[in-house]
Amino acid sequence: IAGITQAPTSQILAAGRRMTLRCTQDMRHNAMYWYRQDLGLGLRLIHYSNTAGTTGKGEVPDGYSVSRANTDDFPLTLASAVPSQTSVYFCASSAEGDYGANVLTFGAGSRLTVL
Amino acid sequence: GQNIDQPTEMTATEGAIVQINCTYQTSGFNGLFWYQQHAGEAPTFLSYNVLDGLEEKGRFSSFLSRSKGYSYLLLKELQMKDSASYLCAPMDSNYQLIWGAGTKLIIKP
Repeated sequence: IAGITQAPTSQILAAGRRMTLRCTQDMRHNAMYWYRQDLGLGLRLIHYSNTAGTTGKGEVPDGYSVSRANTDDFPLTLASAVPSQTSVYFCASSAEGDYGANVLTFGAGSRLTVL
Repeated sequence: GQNIDQPTEMTATEGAIVQINCTYQTSGFNGLFWYQQHAGEAPTFLSYNVLDGLEEKGRFSSFLSRSKGYSYLLLKELQMKDSASYLCAPMDSNYQLIWGAGTKLIIKP
């Protein structure tokens, strides 16, 4: 089934640890995104990539890094996790980035708890 | 600054009609999206408006007024499965989506 796969589904980790959230899509979409969703707030964009080999910073990039070595994969890394990074993380993709009718397809989400 | 305003929660009765409003202020505008998100699940696309007026898609319709910075999502013949959060997201001049916090819709029998 075509779509986006995120891993892990859920993770608890100690503050200061390094963590990589994985995201893979098989739709050959050019653009990919990482969002975090916190209670009472809208989705906030962390990083994005309009095409393989390029990345950009979103609204809340501090403490996170991404890479886009190929079209399918877009991992998100927390170099040294802090409790404020406790959230639900959604990976998404779309056919094109800089385009109006830009429908996003979301992964199922990764629930991260930093203690 | 950029701002999205939509009600936090609404309650409606099965079989009825409900209108979820969204007002927005963005730097430029390239259309407005509505997404549905069931609890514990990912958002899924419902509608996209870029021109003023009403777009109808089955039981769901979405309206846009660019001059007023206003949109609404209209849900008809409500079903229990429509219980979800509805996210309003205009797109700014940089083609970035600005997400509202969402409206939690509760459907009662």
